[in-house]
Amino acid sequence: GAVVSQHPSWVICKSGTSVKIECRSLDFQATTMFWYRQFPKQSLMLMATSNEGSKATYEQGVEKDKFLINHASLTLSTLTVTSAHPEDSSFYICSASSPGSNYYNEQFFGPGTRLTVL
Amino acid sequence: SQQGEEDPQALSIQEGENATMNCSYKTSINNLQWYRQNSGRGLVHLILIRSNEREKHSGRLRVTLDTSKKSSSLLITASRAADTASYFCATDGDTGGFKTIFGAGTRLFVKA
Repeated sequence: GAVVSQHPSWVICKSGTSVKIECRSLDFQATTMFWYRQFPKQSLMLMATSNEGSKATYEQGVEKDKFLINHASLTLSTLTVTSAHPEDSSFYICSASSPGSNYYNEQFFGPGTRLTVL
Repeated sequence: SQQGEEDPQALSIQEGENATMNCSYKTSINNLQWYRQNSGRGLVHLILIRSNEREKHSGRLRVTLDTSKKSSSLLITASRAADTASYFCATDGDTGGFKTIFGAGTRLFVKA
């Protein structure tokens, strides 16, 4: 199947700093990428949907000025957590999809990035 | 909002036993998917079942879908310790197939 990578796999930062997480589709062009957040022992919560070349669509309750998403190319989307606080500590997972996949709405998930804000 | 609710929330069984996990959802769907997640890791796609399908098999996995009851089940036969993980169902909800909405998940522990 298609491969999606995330970088970094984990990051520790001080409160108030900004952190950028990259999501790359390695062997296919992803017109759409999704960003999820997962707290310990909980499910994945969709944060936003990112389409290449356009603004991201954020889910209700997700602050777009805090979680900046950029999908500048068909293989790269970035999530920047601005002015991070301890409550932003979580596991962030991206997924990518493209038209022409074998299955309708098939998404390929990255391995996740664990963010810890001190 | 979460689409699916999974039952049970946690399941502990002995190696060799079968594990059954259930998922209920609220809206009409085009398809339903099951994923596996090892602790602190990414998701692994297990199986997709379309709304016009009732049952699907993949190796030791068997998935059923009952659209009239808005429910699905995942059966893992002859479980192994390596099957220990969290299992999530996910649907496209009422988004027209565009988004994937995850259920709360079932944490499966298989004792060797």
